[in-house]
Amino acid sequence: KAGVTQTPRYLIKTRGQQVTLSCSPISGHRSVSWYQQTPGQGLQFLFEYFSETQRNKGNFPGRFSGRQFSNSRSEMNVSTLELGDSALYLCASSSTPQKSQRNYEQYFGPGTRLTVT
Amino acid sequence: LAKTTQPISMDSYEGQEVNITCSHNNIATNDYITWYQQFPSQGPRFIIQGYKTKVTNEVASLFIPADRKSSTLSLPRVSLSDTAVYYCLAGRIDMRFGAGTRLTVKP
Repeated sequence: KAGVTQTPRYLIKTRGQQVTLSCSPISGHRSVSWYQQTPGQGLQFLFEYFSETQRNKGNFPGRFSGRQFSNSRSEMNVSTLELGDSALYLCASSSTPQKSQRNYEQYFGPGTRLTVT
Repeated sequence: LAKTTQPISMDSYEGQEVNITCSHNNIATNDYITWYQQFPSQGPRFIIQGYKTKVTNEVASLFIPADRKSSTLSLPRVSLSDTAVYYCLAGRIDMRFGAGTRLTVKP
């Protein structure tokens, strides 16, 4: 079974621009979560989508948004990019939503490395 | 999600057994303990999960004492490729991974 895929793997953008990242979950998985990882802040949760609905959201500004399609693929968008948005953006998929069961497992993709200049 | 505490870093040598202990004093009755491994510029990878006593898979063992206030990830005979950051989570993933333990395996 293919793993979680993310595109693009690397991206360079300029301050003020916007960016869209894509995530394809493992086949059959309906939950997709997004994380931001930086050296200073570690791995931080952005949001979770399940069956096209946002179920959970982390503490990030409204410039960060996402959506999920009927085939469970998900995109996240960052508008008005800032230098501090440079990070590794990770997507993870699961067959069930977060908080739905005690032995929850999720599987991460390789990430998209975003550099804002 | 119970707060976890684990060492910031550990060093080991090839062929040795490595034990990384995680403290989770406030773990809830129904919470599972999950460990992830992350290599640089890659997403975390699920290693092992358990609720109590001992769990073993092809990669690692997880020891959980009766009070469940801590857990120990055991990596048998580590190699250079086991150099990574290891994260302990107690409970369902809910935004907080913590800083993890940076394991460095030396030749």
